[in-house]
Amino acid sequence: EAGVAQSPRYKIIEKRQSVAFWCNPISGHATLYWYQQILGQGPKLLIQFQNNGVVDDSQLPKDRFSAERLKGVDSTLKIQPAKLEDSAVYLCASSWKTGSSGNTIYFGEGSWLTVV
Amino acid sequence: QKEVEQNSGPLSVPEGAIASLNCTYSDRGSQSFFWYRQYSGKSPELIMFIYSNGDKEDGRFTAQLNKASQYVSLLIRDSQPSDSATYLCAVNANNDMRFGAGTRLTVKP
Repeated sequence: EAGVAQSPRYKIIEKRQSVAFWCNPISGHATLYWYQQILGQGPKLLIQFQNNGVVDDSQLPKDRFSAERLKGVDSTLKIQPAKLEDSAVYLCASSWKTGSSGNTIYFGEGSWLTVV
Repeated sequence: QKEVEQNSGPLSVPEGAIASLNCTYSDRGSQSFFWYRQYSGKSPELIMFIYSNGDKEDGRFTAQLNKASQYVSLLIRDSQPSDSATYLCAVNANNDMRFGAGTRLTVKP
């Protein structure tokens, strides 16, 4: 079974530029998550989708970050304009159980962003 | 504010010893608890999960949960140098998964 796919793996951009990350979850997984992990910290949830609807985006900086999952499968996370503090790993994850405490989240390899 | 707290470490144990990793959480409504291992430069990978009070064993790993004390731990028996990584505690309440900052473990040969 294929895992969570992410691209690009690495990206270096200048501040105020834009960047987009793509994620394809494990086949059949209804729930998709985008996490931000800053070096030395645990993953912080940015946005959670259930199929193509947003479940939680309370920690998404909406003035610069946006995400969509139009067809309920793959997803794109965009940052525009980027700031230095956005340098982090952006982890996409998915799970198949929805609305259940039994979720097991599986992570992709992550997209490493450096803003200079 | 839903918090998940872990001792950041580093925790250093000799090869063959038992490593004990601890995690506390603030949301009493939390229902499921996960331990992830994250090697440097890699994404987190699931080690095990626990839902009920008590112990759950999987090979060299034992998860312990005490909901009354809002405490979950991970024991690693016969620690190996390959166990050196950051261990993330994650707590799920109503489909809201929160992670701790992680404990860095070093197992010395």
